[in-house]
Amino acid sequence: DAGITQSPRYKITETGRQVTLMCHQTWSHSYMFWYRQDLGHGLRLIYYSAAADITDKGEVSDGYVVSRSKTENFPLTLESATRSQTSVYFCASSETDNSPLHFGNGTRLTVT
Amino acid sequence: GQQVMQIPQYQHVQEGEDFTTYCNSSTTLSNIQWYKQRPGGHPVFLIQLVKSGEVKKQKRLTFQFGEAKKNSSLHITATQTTDVGTYFCAGESGGSYIPTFGRGTSLIVHP
Repeated sequence: DAGITQSPRYKITETGRQVTLMCHQTWSHSYMFWYRQDLGHGLRLIYYSAAADITDKGEVSDGYVVSRSKTENFPLTLESATRSQTSVYFCASSETDNSPLHFGNGTRLTVT
Repeated sequence: GQQVMQIPQYQHVQEGEDFTTYCNSSTTLSNIQWYKQRPGGHPVFLIQLVKSGEVKKQKRLTFQFGEAKKNSSLHITATQTTDVGTYFCAGESGGSYIPTFGRGTSLIVHP
């Protein structure tokens, strides 16, 4: 979907470095989500947000931080990257509660 | 917490054969959504079911929501190579707007 973009598409970083993954949506959707996808685990929720300045932890939030100062942006920061955070990260948005999720193209992050 | 189990994890079929993936929740769901992810791509929304016993069709795809709203299935008739990908179910329950995803079923279609 052109309305939600993630950057960068690929990122290689070293253990211990801070890295921020960007997510921008043009629909003014209220709800935004961050998932990580690993083989055998499907999509696991990291953080979610119901509106600007409202964020909540998902099931795998340790080591991650988010912010949502504007409705359209939902950056995800790895404060001190670890190898276990090597994954594909998907940002998603939805217009209302109970409406479908629209996913970005993902960021493939490798931590060496 | 809510758990959504999806089986099988992988399914190999010959082109033209049928395919079914099943989704089961530990709690009653308010709705269930299905997504398809092509290899190297991102999940794309297919359909949402809300009513008990609901059945919806999209061409060769048939989606069902159980009477108790705790299970769902996706059936593909006469698979084609374009059906290759991973199919995810995602359920919401208890007034939460947070969908819980199953681990997905990867469909491999052999020509």
